[in-house]
Amino acid sequence: DTAVSQTPKYLVTQMGNDKSIKCEQNLGHDTMYWYKQDSKKFLKIMFSYNNKELIINETVPNRFSPKSPDKAHLNLHINSLELGDSAVYFCASSPSGGYGYTFGSGTRLTVV
Amino acid sequence: AQSVAQPEDQVNVAEGNPLTVKCTYSVSGNPYLFWYVQYPNRGLQFLLKYITGDNLVKGSYGFEAEFNKSQTSFHLKKPSALVSDSALYFCAVRDLSYNTDKLIFGTGTRLQVFP
Repeated sequence: DTAVSQTPKYLVTQMGNDKSIKCEQNLGHDTMYWYKQDSKKFLKIMFSYNNKELIINETVPNRFSPKSPDKAHLNLHINSLELGDSAVYFCASSPSGGYGYTFGSGTRLTVV
Repeated sequence: AQSVAQPEDQVNVAEGNPLTVKCTYSVSGNPYLFWYVQYPNRGLQFLLKYITGDNLVKGSYGFEAEFNKSQTSFHLKKPSALVSDSALYFCAVRDLSYNTDKLIFGTGTRLQVFP
C-alpha cells in the first residue's frame, strides 16, 4: 500500500484552466503539506494542514486553494493556471513531533 | 529561522570510491536534520535523520551521516559508491518557527557516480 499517494502523476493543461491535485495518506499522520519543486529543483513549502486546519500559507497566490476534507486527505486546487505554475508538486505528511516526513511521488504540472 | 546549506551543486565520484555530500545547518535550539534522495522522475525518498543520540546515523542503502555540532554540519557519506546512487540529494531541517512544523530544504546536490 502506498503511504502517501497523489493523483494525477502528470497533468498537462492550458493557461487559464482550473485544475485539482489530490493527495491521500494512510499513515494516520496529523499533518499534511504541499511543497512545490521548481525547474531548478528547489523545494519550497506552500501549505500545511493539521487535523483539517490550515497552519501554513507561505505567500502563495490566492489562485492556489488547499482543501482538507479530513485528516487523511489534502487536495490542491489551482485557478486560472499560468505558465509559471509549471512545476512538480509534492504532497507530504508527518506525525506529531516531527520525527518523520513522508512524501508522495509528485505531480508534474505543465501549463502550455 | 532555520536553514540548511548544500555548498556543492554537483559531486562526481568513481564507483567503488567513498562519497561525501556536504550539508551545514543554522538553527536555534536542537536541530532535527534529514537527508532525502530523489531519483529521476521520482518522488523524495527518506534516507536518514538525526534527532538526538549518536552523532553517526545509519540509514537506507548503506548511507550514513555524521552530526557535528561544533562545525554545524551533517554530511552524508557512503564508504563505496555505486552507479545506482546517482541522484539528487537534499538535506533538510525541521523548522518550528511561528508555531509551525515544516521541513526546510537545501538547494540539493546532484551526485554522479561514474563506472
